[in-house]
Amino acid sequence: AQSVTQLDSQVPVFEEAPVELRCNYSSSVSVYLFWYVQYPNQGLQLLLKYLSGSTLVESINGFEAEFNKSQTSFHLRKPSVHISDTAEYFCAVMGPSGAGSYQLTFGKGTKLSVIP
Amino acid sequence: ETGVTQSPTHLIKTRGQQVTLRCSSQSGHNTVSWYQQALGQGPQFIFQYYREEENGRGNFPPRFSGLQFPNYSSELDVNALELDDSALYLCASSPGGVGETQYFGPGTRLLVL
Repeated sequence: AQSVTQLDSQVPVFEEAPVELRCNYSSSVSVYLFWYVQYPNQGLQLLLKYLSGSTLVESINGFEAEFNKSQTSFHLRKPSVHISDTAEYFCAVMGPSGAGSYQLTFGKGTKLSVIP
Repeated sequence: ETGVTQSPTHLIKTRGQQVTLRCSSQSGHNTVSWYQQALGQGPQFIFQYYREEENGRGNFPPRFSGLQFPNYSSELDVNALELDDSALYLCASSPGGVGETQYFGPGTRLLVL
């Protein structure tokens, strides 16, 4: 079974400041980790994912996340946030759900509010 | 390339009614998953279809059922609606397989009165 804990439900941060959104996971099988972003009244968009290899993964819009196996964490970071980063961010772990299928198990989300 | 689309965008039903939600997969994707996102929560896995067969199910009762068609589009049916079924229903398509990215549609917001 898999589970995800997002430690902060809301994170306010000033524009151009750095931010870290924390995510811890639990999984009994190989770990595949994802961060999705959800803008108001929209579906989820993939931000980045970790499958294997380098523990640091990056997105095209400046976010990065580091897979830490010993701490079972996959924290999301950005060195300088913009107003447009205001959204809700979901961490997810992928695991088997039977008969060759794979499901995403999500955390409860972190609302990032960027303050001008 | 067309992304994942869902219809309708919003829906209002009363308790005890039945509802059908629809999803069109992204081109080339043969796997569809459905998720329920209650207000203030993360999405929860309902079930997954691969080549017209249900091949995975989350902790949802049998009144949640679905179909996948030969063109890989999909339906989610919910019978005997309850107030707690009020949520955003998200459909996601993928090429299938471990580690493959699931691409989400914009969702259908269902309100049960």
